[in-house]
Amino acid sequence: GQSLEQPSEVTAVEGAIVQINCTYQTSGFYGLSWYQQHDGGAPTFLSYNALDGLEETGRFSSFLSRSDSYGYLLLQELQMKDSASYFCAVRDLAAGNKLTFGGGTRVLVKP
Amino acid sequence: DGGITQSPKYLFRKEGQNVTLSCEQNLNHDAMYWYRQDPGQGLRLIYYSQIVNDFQKGDIAEGYSVSREKKESFPLTVTSAQKNPTAFYLCASSMVSGPRFDTQYFGPGTRLTVL
Repeated sequence: GQSLEQPSEVTAVEGAIVQINCTYQTSGFYGLSWYQQHDGGAPTFLSYNALDGLEETGRFSSFLSRSDSYGYLLLQELQMKDSASYFCAVRDLAAGNKLTFGGGTRVLVKP
Repeated sequence: DGGITQSPKYLFRKEGQNVTLSCEQNLNHDAMYWYRQDPGQGLRLIYYSQIVNDFQKGDIAEGYSVSREKKESFPLTVTSAQKNPTAFYLCASSMVSGPRFDTQYFGPGTRLTVL
């Protein structure tokens, strides 16, 4: 089966940089995605990595190392609105092409 | 505007009753998914469908049933066999091919409470 591990909670101040790590175990890895979810809301797509390296989208960047089964989401210039839960997810072609989500990292941004 | 709608937003059920949660999308996506989320937890896949009239069980399908008679619609029935159905239910859709096929778009969710 598939499993993903990410920290449960991170606290930082406005303007800081936060890195959320995600390690995964799958048999047919295809890609690593990141989603953001505010309390009571629906998850929204942030970023996707299929190949090794860094993908940058504004203040958010995502990194993947397939050889290490590891990725991270980097949140820069933190703003209060970034307080949310962040989920990594892997697509496993050997598991019916479905997404499996990690347990989520709750990010709390303080003034 | 294209998107996914779920109804109702809040649903209360008595023990022993079946309830059906609605999910409709107008994004022209072939694939649709149902997830369950418990407080402070991640998303767990219940069922998914990649084409009309076909669907597959996810990781926690017991006590749930689905149908996919139309491309736009993927209703979920929570049966009385589901022992602990109180949760937040999220529906999502995606393409099945192309450069953005890995992106899932989520509806606003239905919060089900069993009384």
